[in-house]
Amino acid sequence: DAKTTQPPSMDCAEGRAANLPCNHSTISGNEYVYWYRQIHSQGPQYIIHGLKNNETNEMASLIITEDRKSSTLILPHATLRDTAVYYCIVRSWASSNTGKLIFGQGTTLQVKP
Amino acid sequence: DGGITQSPKYLFRKEGQNVTLSCEQNLNHDAMYWYRQDPGQGLRLIYYSQIVNDFQKGDIAEGYSVSREKKESFPLTVTSAQKNPTAFYLCASLNPGFGANVLTFGAGSRLTVL
Repeated sequence: DAKTTQPPSMDCAEGRAANLPCNHSTISGNEYVYWYRQIHSQGPQYIIHGLKNNETNEMASLIITEDRKSSTLILPHATLRDTAVYYCIVRSWASSNTGKLIFGQGTTLQVKP
Repeated sequence: DGGITQSPKYLFRKEGQNVTLSCEQNLNHDAMYWYRQDPGQGLRLIYYSQIVNDFQKGDIAEGYSVSREKKESFPLTVTSAQKNPTAFYLCASLNPGFGANVLTFGAGSRLTVL
């Protein structure tokens, strides 16, 4: 699975959009981009995933560049409860060989009042 | 409700003692994973299992052991050979090839060595 690079930390004002970038320049054609977040001392929680089209769900939007080498997770109206560590990982879709699933250090998002 | 149960949530251990962390899932997932997290750090993969009776070392397997005798269970033993075992341990599972292919995590077990 491709390696990802994220900034270690970001701040965002409450009520504003939080845009979290992820670089995955070595992504291959069958690899999806997945985002998870981890609130302090809890298990990570799935947020969203995508292949090449932009995706939106009730939690967030995912924008993937046309060359697929980077993506941005958007929390449209950040709240204090969105303060967490956000992880971007890439992996293949319907693989019978799950193999390693590697998480990097993620981005610590601090939402401020 | 389906999910992953990790126990105990908090555990204290004296140096030189082995300790086993439990991970049980009722999601019928084939693959299971153990991660370690240190304060302010990301998740590091200890061991993973893609199917019953099979498992592979992750990036930091030294001082740990696992078993996968049942699909639902993937216990992790932290042995006395693990030089710095104080950490937050997370178990996860995945059903490859179907659905959203999403990792489901447990709530974690926090181990402190006294």
